[in-house]
Amino acid sequence: GAGVSQSPSNKVTEKGKDVELRCDPISGHTALYWYRQSLGQGLEFLIYFQGNSAPDKSGLPSDRFSAERTGGSVSTLTIQRTQQEDSAVYLCASSLRQGAETQYFGPGTRLLVL
Amino acid sequence: LAKTTQPISMDSYEGQEVNITCSHNNIATNDYITWYQQFPSQGPRFIIQGYKTKVTNEVASLFIPADRKSSTLSLPRVSLSDTAVYYCLVGDYNQGGKLIFGQGTELSVKP
Repeated sequence: GAGVSQSPSNKVTEKGKDVELRCDPISGHTALYWYRQSLGQGLEFLIYFQGNSAPDKSGLPSDRFSAERTGGSVSTLTIQRTQQEDSAVYLCASSLRQGAETQYFGPGTRLLVL
Repeated sequence: LAKTTQPISMDSYEGQEVNITCSHNNIATNDYITWYQQFPSQGPRFIIQGYKTKVTNEVASLFIPADRKSSTLSLPRVSLSDTAVYYCLVGDYNQGGKLIFGQGTELSVKP
């Protein structure tokens, strides 16, 4: 079946602009996660959603970052007033449920803030 | 979540067995040990997960000693396509689904 998809695959924006990154999880997966990977760095957790529970936003680096998950499926990560340090690959993952389950990652969105 | 320590890089040759060891001295009773693989320009991919002793699947084996303070990922007869970064993660995923990634081990397989 289809894996996790993300769009756009690449995004170049100017400092101060807002960007929206989209994630389509695997159908039927109730848990969805966002991570960030800066150049040459490991992955950094940002936020995750589990069913109808309140999301865990503990990894969001600032209040410029927000995320929504509509209808328990598609998720959008929004970065307002982008800064150059926001440049990174933003990865989305989904799993069947929260717990000791495999997380399936999408290909990521490469964001470059000029 | 328990912190992990693993070598930053390793070199190997095609056909060899590769063992990557991860230290997790502060592992908790409910923590599982999970390994992910990441190729350049791709998201990480689950390889294997275990709690204790030995786990084997079609890709790798995971060895966990009785004290669970370390674990070893074993890749049999590696090929060039196994060149990737390998991450060891430890956590009680029933309490929180987020994964805490460390630096990972960059494995380079040479012909």
